[in-house]
Amino acid sequence: KAGVTQTPRYLIKTRGQQVTLSCSPISGHRSVSWYQQTPGQGLQFLFEYFSETQRNKGNFPGRFSGRQFSNSRSEMNVSTLELGDSALYLCASSLDRRTSAMQYFGPGTRLTVL
Amino acid sequence: TQLLEQSPQFLSIQEGENLTVYCNSSSVFSSLQWYRQEPGEGPVLLVTVVTGGEVKKLKRLTFQFGDARKDSSLHITAAQPGDTGLYLCAEDNYGQNFVFGPGTRLSVLP
Repeated sequence: KAGVTQTPRYLIKTRGQQVTLSCSPISGHRSVSWYQQTPGQGLQFLFEYFSETQRNKGNFPGRFSGRQFSNSRSEMNVSTLELGDSALYLCASSLDRRTSAMQYFGPGTRLTVL
Repeated sequence: TQLLEQSPQFLSIQEGENLTVYCNSSSVFSSLQWYRQEPGEGPVLLVTVVTGGEVKKLKRLTFQFGDARKDSSLHITAAQPGDTGLYLCAEDNYGQNFVFGPGTRLSVLP
């Protein structure tokens, strides 16, 4: 069974631009969660989608948004990029986060904001 | 607000040594997970512990959950260079989201 894939793996943007990251979960998984990982703050939860609906949201500004498609693939968008948005963005898929604690992470997208 | 602390922050040991890393919470866990993350990769789930006092073994790794479900430990016996990585504990916030600790960065030298 193929694992979680994230594209692109690396991205360089400048301040003020926007970016869209993509995550394809494991086949059959309907829950996708997004996390931001930085050296200073560690792994922080951004949001979770299930069946095209955002179910939970972390404490991030509205510049961070996401969506999920009918095939469970998910995208996250960051608008008006700031230097502090430089991070590894990870997505994790699970059958259903509310009923299963098993989540599988993708390799991440490394975003650098200049 | 849940807070997870991990100690030590960094650990560098020689191959063959034993080590223990710790995870402590400011509140009672519903369940706790341990992950290992290697550079350039996402975290990989090692174990989920749910019951207070629970002990789980995964080859040379032993995971223990405190009786009060506010602490956990990971013990590695006879560490190998392949054990090198960032060890993260994560608290399940009753199905809402996971709260991760800052991690213990382990380096096992050959």
